[in-house]
Amino acid sequence: TQLLEQSPQFLSIQEGENLTVYCNSSSVFSSLQWYRQEPGEGPVLLVTVVTGGEVKKLKRLTFQFGDARKDSSLHITAAQPGDTGLYLCAGEGTGRRALTFGSGTRLQVQP
Amino acid sequence: ETGVTQSPTHLIKTRGQQVTLRCSSQSGHNTVSWYQQALGQGPQFIFQYYREEENGRGNFPPRFSGLQFPNYSSELNVNALELDDSALYLCASSLVGLGTYEQYFGPGTRLTVT
Repeated sequence: TQLLEQSPQFLSIQEGENLTVYCNSSSVFSSLQWYRQEPGEGPVLLVTVVTGGEVKKLKRLTFQFGDARKDSSLHITAAQPGDTGLYLCAGEGTGRRALTFGSGTRLQVQP
Repeated sequence: ETGVTQSPTHLIKTRGQQVTLRCSSQSGHNTVSWYQQALGQGPQFIFQYYREEENGRGNFPPRFSGLQFPNYSSELNVNALELDDSALYLCASSLVGLGTYEQYFGPGTRLTVT
């Protein structure tokens, strides 16, 4: 069974601060996706990383896939209240029949 | 391009009853996956349908069943509801064959079992 562990579970920071969310596993994934979910809504895809060591940037968000494709990180620079939400990482295993999700990091950015 | 839609938005059922949830895939997508998300948790994979057949299943009992129709819409059926079935049920569609396996989620159906 493939598992993804996210840390931290909760994060409350002030506007303008930087933060990093981690997603770790002992399993290798074909790709890893990051989602953001607002209360009462479905997850919205932010990015997909495929190659070990890959780095992708989405405005103030930087995503990195570990060299061994077992872990990933999400770094937010100068967080804003609009970044508040639940951040989920999800790994695509072999066979592509399901995504394995982490338990999420709930981020609150105070103005 | 139409996104993934789900109905109903909210549903309240009594233990032992049966429920059917519906999902319309994003235009052009051929695969539908269903996930259960308990409060404070990440989504858990229930099953996936491709070409109207079940194409993979998570650790859920047989009372969770599904269908995919020729227009790629889908249903999730749950029989003999239990209190622990209370959750947000998410449908996600994707297009198999494009390389990476990106899934696009609907807004979910909030099921409450009393």
